[in-house]
Amino acid sequence: QVQLVESGGGVVQPGMSLRLSCAASRFTFSNYAMHWVRQAPGKGLEWVAVLSYDGNNKYYADSVKGRFTISRDTSKNTLYLQMNSLRVDDTAVYYCARDLRAWSSNWYYFDYWGQGTLVTVSS
Amino acid sequence: QSALTQPASVSGSPGQSITISCTGTSSDVGGYNYVSWYQQHPGKAPKLMICDVSNRPSGVSNRFSGSKSGNTASLTISGLQAEDEADYYCSSYTSSSTLVFGTGTKVTVL
Repeated sequence: QVQLVESGGGVVQPGMSLRLSCAASRFTFSNYAMHWVRQAPGKGLEWVAVLSYDGNNKYYADSVKGRFTISRDTSKNTLYLQMNSLRVDDTAVYYCARDLRAWSSNWYYFDYWGQGTLVTVSS
Repeated sequence: QSALTQPASVSGSPGQSITISCTGTSSDVGGYNYVSWYQQHPGKAPKLMICDVSNRPSGVSNRFSGSKSGNTASLTISGLQAEDEADYYCSSYTSSSTLVFGTGTKVTVL
């Protein structure tokens, strides 16, 4: 069974940085686009970023563009989200999720999700 | 990247059918057949219920069905069961090569 395990969440002050990790296992990590999705406490889902299966394309939500960077290390089967200039409204549970279709040049759906890691931005 | 619009809540009695709408624009829902629906129970990660507007992934009950007309997609749950009580989110691919979720709908089984 596919496994995604996020880590790196915590409490940080506004303006600071944090890096989230997502350890993937039981599938060929480099064959799939990977996403970050977040959910503020008591609120809805918000798509954050995607990294294409070949690592060549990255797209971001407007709310994080220029502040967050998605990346991966295929040798470690790990996805990352570097978050800089954090704001109070970045407070959320951050999920990593796998795209449904392998080797796809586009990205549409999430079929496996991690359990999430909580990021709290507060002074 | 405005969120797609869903009703905040929908309710129904066991055995009934309910429909959740998801309204976007020609740059997302109306422009692509890449609409999906997710079910989320409290404290759990979302689960993919519908992809490609109307396709059910393996293992999803055939009580769930999807459709689309213009800029509005819909999820119908037939034969409503207690276990269907959850939050439901639509999602669409966009003309910016990004994804956008709906505002979410809380389904209550009376």
